[in-house]
Amino acid sequence: DSGVTQTPKHLITATGQRVTLRCSPRSGDLSVYWYQQSLDQGLQFLIQYYNGEERAKGNILERFSAQQFPDLHSELNLSSLELGDSALYFCASSVVGDSYYSPLHFGNGTRLTVT
Amino acid sequence: AQTVTQSQPEMSVQEAETVTLSCTYDTSENNYYLFWYKQPPSRQMILVIRQEAYKQQNATENRFSVNFQKAAKSFSLKISDSQLGDTAMYFCALCGTGANSKLTFGKGITLSVRP
Repeated sequence: DSGVTQTPKHLITATGQRVTLRCSPRSGDLSVYWYQQSLDQGLQFLIQYYNGEERAKGNILERFSAQQFPDLHSELNLSSLELGDSALYFCASSVVGDSYYSPLHFGNGTRLTVT
Repeated sequence: AQTVTQSQPEMSVQEAETVTLSCTYDTSENNYYLFWYKQPPSRQMILVIRQEAYKQQNATENRFSVNFQKAAKSFSLKISDSQLGDTAMYFCALCGTGANSKLTFGKGITLSVRP
C-alpha cells in the first residue's frame, strides 16, 4: 500500500459532463502529481502541486483544472468530457517538490469511462 | 525536451530465467535520474529501481539490476530468477534536475512470466 488514496476507483459518465477526481497524498508528502494513462499516449504528466501552489504543468487540457487544498489533498476537475478523455488517471505524491529527489508514490488510479 | 523510448511492446520469459528490458532516452540536461516502475494488474505503479546519472555504478535491488550506458543513452533493466509475480507492465522513466523537472515515462513493456 503506497499510502496514496484516490477516489472513486471507477467513474462512468457521458460526453459533455463534468467530474471531479480526488487524491489524498501519503502522510507527510507535500507534493501531488496528476498523470493520465491511455493506451495510445502512455503515461502523460498533467500537473504538479507543491504545498498548495502549482509547481509544474504538463500536457493538461484547458478543460481540465486542478487544485491542492490546505490539508494537501488534491482534486482534478475534468469538464466538457469527450470520448477521448477515457483513461486511467493517477495521482502520485512525494515528500519534496522535485520528482527526481524523492520517489513518487502512486495511488491505484481512477478509471474514467466517457460514453 | 526529454524523451523515453521503449521499443519492445511485450516480452515473455520462463520462470527462474533472466530477462532484460530495453530503454533509451534523450535529454539535454547534464544531470538527471532514471527509473524503472512496475505496474502489475492491480494498476498501482511501483518503483523498482533508480539510477542517478552522475553515478557510474549500476544500481541493484535484489533480483533487479540496471545496465546504464550514459554515452549511448541506454538504461536497461535485468530481472534475474524471474518469478510469476514479476508479470506486469514495466515503465522506464527519466527526470531532469533542472527547474520544473518532471518525470517522463516511456510507453511501457508488458512482461509475462510463464510457469
